[in-house]
Amino acid sequence: AQSVSQHNHHVILSEAASLELGCNYSYGGTVNLFWYVQYPGQHLQLLLKYFSGDPLVKGIKGFEAEFIKSKFSFNLRKPSVQWSDTAEYFCAVNPVTSGTYKYIFGTGTRLKVLA
Amino acid sequence: DGGITQSPKYLFRKEGQNVTLSCEQNLNHDAMYWYRQDPGQGLRLIYYSQIVNDFQKGDIAEGYSVSREKKESFPLTVTSAQKNPTAFYLCASSEGLLYNEQFFGPGTRLTVL
Repeated sequence: AQSVSQHNHHVILSEAASLELGCNYSYGGTVNLFWYVQYPGQHLQLLLKYFSGDPLVKGIKGFEAEFIKSKFSFNLRKPSVQWSDTAEYFCAVNPVTSGTYKYIFGTGTRLKVLA
Repeated sequence: DGGITQSPKYLFRKEGQNVTLSCEQNLNHDAMYWYRQDPGQGLRLIYYSQIVNDFQKGDIAEGYSVSREKKESFPLTVTSAQKNPTAFYLCASSEGLLYNEQFFGPGTRLTVL
């Protein structure tokens, strides 16, 4: 079955530290990839997405992610986190050629940034 | 202001009762989705709909039912057959099923007493 793994369930960083959150998926075909963020008390919203082209994609608020097809990974990065980045982050995969049209979400990573 | 509304924000029901969660969107999106969010389990797909009068089961459809009579509305009924209904329910929509980001509502927290 298709699945998405986010190995870091809880991450605690100090402000200005660099961030990398892992995301791996299990599907061999073409995929669309997403990172969503849920700030405390707010709606889930899109951080960035990858459909095709340059595997390094930039999103809002200084976030970026790199698609490495050979590793089935789409890791999220930010060079310097801020207290306001405290949130839960979800990786999602849309297996384009599977015919199911589902978006499969990872279990999420809770990030806490200490001021 | 376009978006997705879910009502109510908090819902309490007695065990054995069916309950319907509302989801409305004014984004003119064709596709709509229902997810269940539980701590440590991420979002799990309950049902999705590509177009009016059509919907498909997701990964955890047992104990739930939906309808899609209007493009802008996709209500979810949690039936008494759902063994563990207490959860946070999220509705989402997208322009289509592929190559589109999903837009999410604020969610409904259902507690079954």
